[in-house]
Amino acid sequence: EPEVTQTPSHQVTQMGQEVILRCVPISNHLYFYWYRQILGQKVEFLVSFYNNEISEKSEIFDDQFSVERPDGSNFTLKIRSTKLEDSAMYFCASRVQGAPLEQYFGPGTRLTVT
Amino acid sequence: KQEVTQIPAALSVPEGENLVLNCSFTDSAIYNLQWFRQDPGKGLTSLLLIQSSQREQTSGRLNASLDKSSGRSTLYIAASQPGDSATYLCAVLKGNTPLVFGKGTRLSVIA
Repeated sequence: EPEVTQTPSHQVTQMGQEVILRCVPISNHLYFYWYRQILGQKVEFLVSFYNNEISEKSEIFDDQFSVERPDGSNFTLKIRSTKLEDSAMYFCASRVQGAPLEQYFGPGTRLTVT
Repeated sequence: KQEVTQIPAALSVPEGENLVLNCSFTDSAIYNLQWFRQDPGKGLTSLLLIQSSQREQTSGRLNASLDKSSGRSTLYIAASQPGDSATYLCAVLKGNTPLVFGKGTRLSVIA
């Protein structure tokens, strides 16, 4: 069964460094999402992407964040200058166009900023 | 703004017991509702999706119901097992918008 994959599974970085989190959505999916979950808190929406552009973003998704679909398979989240509070689990999700709008989630990348 | 609340926050039951997890949402104009399972430090496993036109969905020992007008959903787990121990998350979707998640119910099933 097709699945969303994410790499790396765990990333440790120092404050101020840039990180890129990678996702490979399911091949026929057209809508892509990034969510994050700080330890002990709710899963929160960051950004959605469709037709090679951002379709919606949350207040969390400020100028430090960017997303890209560099080729036909990868979907990346870049954090330019990481802060301690960026430490979280980051989930990628994707879905097809049309009902039932079900989002399929990847296993997540745990980002630890020291 | 949509808010999703899950009660209880934590639940501990003996093995074999049937149990119900609750989810409520403030904006009843939803398109669908998903229940997820999350093991500690792990990703989200989709359990059941109920579209707004449906009343319930079943998968094995799991049954999810939806009462859109009252803004409520329940996840019923029959004959609980220690392997069911995890956090269960409820999330709602309104059209082409992001999922809005509850904080989850942490379930412990004691052998």
